Amino acid sequence: NAGVTQTPKFQVLKTGQSMTLQCAQDMNHEYMSWYRQDPGMGLRLIHYSVGAGITDQGEVPNGYNVSRSTTEDFPLRLLSAAPSQTSVYFCASSAGLAGHEQFFGPGTRLTVL
Amino acid sequence: AQRVTQPEKLLSVFKGAPVELKCNYSYSGSPELFWYVQYSRQRLQLLLRHISRESIKGFTADLNKGETSFHLKKPFAQEEDSAMYYCALSGPSTSGTYKYIFGTGTRLKVLA
Repeated sequence: NAGVTQTPKFQVLKTGQSMTLQCAQDMNHEYMSWYRQDPGMGLRLIHYSVGAGITDQGEVPNGYNVSRSTTEDFPLRLLSAAPSQTSVYFCASSAGLAGHEQFFGPGTRLTVL
Repeated sequence: AQRVTQPEKLLSVFKGAPVELKCNYSYSGSPELFWYVQYSRQRLQLLLRHISRESIKGFTADLNKGETSFHLKKPFAQEEDSAMYYCALSGPSTSGTYKYIFGTGTRLKVLA
């Protein structure tokens, strides 16, 4: 099993550009989520999904969109990139939330100029 | 408010010294607590969870419900323990779904 995969690993954008960060998992997990990791802020939840067709906002959803058309894929879209979105983005999946381990992807380092 | 607090951003200890990474939480209910670790250039991974009551890589953590703490301890630090450590909790939210909340992390540096 590949586990949780993310592409790209690195990305540089100009302010105002849009892009999609890809996330896929092959563990048949229902729960998937996106976090951003910033120095001194820890991991902050952006959006999450409890199953195909179901998504919800996390702590810092503004400027991001998600969709979950299949169990495997959970892309994160930046609508109009801003320098404040410079961060490392992690996708995670788990079999559930109650007491379940979250499996993380390798991360995408995004810089917005 | 539901919150996980890790008061130390950076903790430096010498090799062979005891280590304690602090974690306090605020949660109305009975959450499940976890410690995750991120070694350099690696992805975050689960270190241990309180329901397992296990010791992983020499680390242990005891859930103290009275003090709402879940401190991570190791009696003798090793250089390979240098990493970023995140405390996290999982529990039902007011909307009926489950929440997974991470702390801000503590960077552990073990000095030779």
